[in-house]
Amino acid sequence: EIVLTQSPATLSASPGDRVTLSCRASQSVSTRLAWYQQKPGQAPRLLISGASTRATGIPARFSGSGSGTEFTLTISSLQSEDFAIYYCQQYKNWPPVYTFGQGTKLEIK
Amino acid sequence: EVQLVESGGGLVQPGGSLRLSCAASGFSFSSYWMAWVRQAPGKGLEWVATMSHDGSLTYYVDSVEGRFTISRDNAKNSLSLQMISLSVDDTAVYYCVREDHSTYIYWGQGTLVTVFS
Repeated sequence: EIVLTQSPATLSASPGDRVTLSCRASQSVSTRLAWYQQKPGQAPRLLISGASTRATGIPARFSGSGSGTEFTLTISSLQSEDFAIYYCQQYKNWPPVYTFGQGTKLEIK
Repeated sequence: EVQLVESGGGLVQPGGSLRLSCAASGFSFSSYWMAWVRQAPGKGLEWVATMSHDGSLTYYVDSVEGRFTISRDNAKNSLSLQMISLSVDDTAVYYCVREDHSTYIYWGQGTLVTVFS
């Protein structure tokens, strides 16, 4: 099973800040990695797939990078609506056991 | 508009059973692989099960293998998850999701399953 480790667990930041969230895979997933955002009481929303491709309607301030085992999600200028929990997910496995990271909570400083 | 609406959650005792349903609309249901993802209270996301578009292939996370059964009725645009031998560790919000190139763009609102002793 591929294990995804996200860091930090919690990140405190202010509106306007640039932040970077990390996701490390226990083995290479190539670029088969996605990022999701989840707000309280809501279902997750896909932000990034293929490690760096923004999903439809996702603002350009969100960007993803990485390949192999090291990935990052960067938010260039935090908006108030960006404070949420972020999860990475790998989808390299076959059979399709698609594991998630444990999440990074982005909170207002 | 793609819609996924789950139902069937509730309270159940350990060892009990429950059947979740997901009504899909707004897309060609029979063309898509579908999955269930769960989230225990205050915890992260966990993929539970996946079924191929035609129902011929199914996959489960190890912790539910043999206890949960995913199924679909393409004529009725519905996905189901039959759960037996439930334990407190199965307490979670269960989301019905559509797979798009192995990622999950469309999610239902979730249905809460609470296993209590």
